[in-house]
Amino acid sequence: DTAVSQTPKYLVTQMGNDKSIKCEQNLGHDTMYWYKQDSKKFLKIMFSYNNKELIINETVPNRFSPKSPDKAHLNLHINSLELGDSAVYFCASSYGQNIQMSQYFGPGTRLLVL
Amino acid sequence: SQKIEQNSEALNIQEGKTATLTCNYTNYSPAYLQWYRQDPGRGPVFLLLIRENEKEKRKERLKVTFDTTLKQSLFHITASQPADSATYLCALFSDTGRRALTFGSGTRLQVQP
Repeated sequence: DTAVSQTPKYLVTQMGNDKSIKCEQNLGHDTMYWYKQDSKKFLKIMFSYNNKELIINETVPNRFSPKSPDKAHLNLHINSLELGDSAVYFCASSYGQNIQMSQYFGPGTRLLVL
Repeated sequence: SQKIEQNSEALNIQEGKTATLTCNYTNYSPAYLQWYRQDPGRGPVFLLLIRENEKEKRKERLKVTFDTTLKQSLFHITASQPADSATYLCALFSDTGRRALTFGSGTRLQVQP
């Protein structure tokens, strides 16, 4: 009965590789987000999708490309991984495009780039 | 520049006491503010939302205040329990400009039995 799930939970990879993180929610929400939490614990929004359409695209390198095949899924693909990409990536979802709604977070994907 | 500040030092209190956590912000006109709890190795969990025209919100042992003049929110946990030990994050949303939640770095609360 997991609400927001992410795979994989841990990801260790070499610099320069390409990797993907998958996110799925079974809450019936139509808005999904990707956040990055760095070593100082700041949680920063990267992208937001509403009904498969991109609505928020923060200043994120072009190497990061989100894809939403349907409103229950939001995947994150990262090209040419760099050391600075090491962080915890959280997927989240909420009802509606109105961001006043509370957000439900996944368990996070811990990415370590060597 | 816009800034959200939460006490980076851990707050240690005795079980049964009231924990008070602070969230200060500058160069921001938030429409509302949310508080989340984050346990180690887990994603944040939503606790409470308070709007700019609300002074106080309560939910069971939790109470949040929002003072737009002081640019501050206080988060209280009454009759604290060891199970309340976690990191608490505040997040602000503004209706103008960047329409996204901006999170503070959180304050870690440790409740001693």
